[in-house]
Amino acid sequence: RKEVEQDPGPFNVPEGATVAFNCTYSNSASQSFFWYRQDCRKEPKLLMSVYSSGNEDGRFTAQLNRASQYISLLIRDSKLSDSATYLCVVKSGYGGSQGNLIFGKGTKLSVKP
Amino acid sequence: EPEVTQTPSHQVTQMGQEVILRCVPISNHLYFYWYRQILGQKVEFLVSFYNNEISEKSEIFDDQFSVERPDGSNFTLKIRSTKLEDSAMYFCASSPDLYEQYFGPGTRLTVT
Repeated sequence: RKEVEQDPGPFNVPEGATVAFNCTYSNSASQSFFWYRQDCRKEPKLLMSVYSSGNEDGRFTAQLNRASQYISLLIRDSKLSDSATYLCVVKSGYGGSQGNLIFGKGTKLSVKP
Repeated sequence: EPEVTQTPSHQVTQMGQEVILRCVPISNHLYFYWYRQILGQKVEFLVSFYNNEISEKSEIFDDQFSVERPDGSNFTLKIRSTKLEDSAMYFCASSPDLYEQYFGPGTRLTVT
């Protein structure tokens, strides 16, 4: 089983649409979870961390379900500028270890006018 | 807003040559990382570094690779004898804690 799995897409949506991305991870001991976005041939940029209680940042809402090992990202009122690849990321390591980030392959979003 | 910087942005080298990729992490960050991304594939971890020592390395990070923090600001990745399959985007990342990591713009390495 792959460590972090995402639907590769692409998701093609009109401006203003709501779109949801899902991700599953294999290591039940994982402690930290993130969504990054990556524009074509650019670096991953941290979009938001994902907390067990769920968290919201403007139009973006992230949810974590530890029992199902499932992470989601919801984008409301999508803008043209949201077009990018969205990377589900899990931090490896335990407790105070430095660990490293384990990336999914990403889900491509294309927002059309 | 402070950023991670990397140089060069693009490096072309011949197979068998040594390359050094440079990174300047964000100044108050303590934890440093190198990742790579082969075109069309996912980002992969290479090595983590803290307190002038390697903390962890992946199986990709073999004897051809080394990292160094030669002074208080730079963090380098050296590939001793490049292979065609080393062609990739190499990202440096830094973190102030053991949580969020911030990536530099990357160096595109092309091995011919």
